[in-house]
Amino acid sequence: GENVEQHPSTLSVQEGDSAVIKCTYSDSASNYFPWYKQELGKRPQLIIDIRSNVGEKKDQRIAVTLNKTAKHFSLHITETQPEDSAVYFCAATTGSSNTGKLIFGQGTTLQVKP
Amino acid sequence: DVKVTQSSRYLVKRTGEKVFLECVQDMDHENMFWYRQDPGLGLRLIYFSYDVKMKEKGDIPEGYSVSREKKERFSLILESASTNQTSMYLCASKIMTGEFSGNTIYFGEGSWLTVV
Repeated sequence: GENVEQHPSTLSVQEGDSAVIKCTYSDSASNYFPWYKQELGKRPQLIIDIRSNVGEKKDQRIAVTLNKTAKHFSLHITETQPEDSAVYFCAATTGSSNTGKLIFGQGTTLQVKP
Repeated sequence: DVKVTQSSRYLVKRTGEKVFLECVQDMDHENMFWYRQDPGLGLRLIYFSYDVKMKEKGDIPEGYSVSREKKERFSLILESASTNQTSMYLCASKIMTGEFSGNTIYFGEGSWLTVV
């Protein structure tokens, strides 16, 4: 089955700096890679996703890159702000939306220091 | 607005008790999931369901069972709770349509279970 590894487990940056979180996956058939943000005491929420036919996607200060050959994908946050502090999860899934199940990484706790 | 509701936010149960965690979604989603969240381990899939009365094991099904009698409701059952099942449980759902659409899953608020 699919296995997703996420690094680092914790990340501390100064406000305004960039943050990068990396994930690798094992199943070459995986075709959908979302990123979820979970603020303290709240539910995880989707912040950006990328599909296997795309190499990069950007949404304001957040970008995700995918390297299918190496089976890894990364989340990039630029100009970090204190409200970016949260736990971030990457995930991967195979198959169609009918049968695909999301397998998550271990999570990264991001702390943005003002 | 998408809504996934977990009826119990905080529970304390004794070892050996039977525990029911209930989840309801109002989006007419076919797929529903139960995850367990533990520090350093991320979100691990316990069980998921494609549709009513259909279920499939996830990565850590041992000690758990599920029930999906109605489309909107997916229940997680701990037949005999143990202390190593102390955790935060997250229910989620998603629509089932199309090849690349409908993969976004929506989570409930989570249920914190302590087994003593």
